[in-house]
Amino acid sequence: QKEVEQDPGPLSVPEGAIVSLNCTYSNSAFQYFMWYRQYSRKGPELLMYTYSSGNKEDGRFTAQVDKSSKYISLFIRDSQPSDSATYLCAMVKAAGNKLTFGGGTRVLVKP
Amino acid sequence: DTAVSQTPKYLVTQMGNDKSIKCEQNLGHDTMYWYKQDSKKFLKIMFSYNNKELIINETVPNRFSPKSPDKAHLNLHINSLELGDSAVYFCACKPSRGRAETQYFGPGTRLLVL
Repeated sequence: QKEVEQDPGPLSVPEGAIVSLNCTYSNSAFQYFMWYRQYSRKGPELLMYTYSSGNKEDGRFTAQVDKSSKYISLFIRDSQPSDSATYLCAMVKAAGNKLTFGGGTRVLVKP
Repeated sequence: DTAVSQTPKYLVTQMGNDKSIKCEQNLGHDTMYWYKQDSKKFLKIMFSYNNKELIINETVPNRFSPKSPDKAHLNLHINSLELGDSAVYFCACKPSRGRAETQYFGPGTRLLVL
């Protein structure tokens, strides 16, 4: 079993809908949580990061962390076709410098 | 100017061959990484170098040998290529004091072993 689980999708939504993505993890040593966006044939780029339980908002994006349930989420409001990409969650253990990634969820926003 | 560049972008080769892929960054960062992304998009760290010194070496077969000639370059040599080596290999870099999430990824090298 992988340390970080993520539904591969694809997740297809109409333009303007809310996209809801999530990851679960098994190791409580993970303390810092990130979401990356990866367009086709490109490298991952950091979208959001959070270091604590709760919500963090950045424009149309909201990251949510629930450490007690070992569950993190990313919500994309007012989705656009340009949001079509693979979204990878990643996490780091305290005092660590190694990213552990989920397998990514492919999202398709249809105009 | 591309911050992190990788060559080649695509590599198709036969099983058993030896090949190298190269990474160069112009961000002045001290720490560089190699990741492997398999066909299911699962991205896994392979190696990390800080100031030309190996600091992370995951359980990667010793057919894979990284080499850092200087801070700006991290190359990956693969001996006796196997079908399972087919993947996208990403280079990344970050400042040595930067958090893990400050890694900046290159565009990837798509390796296909036939």
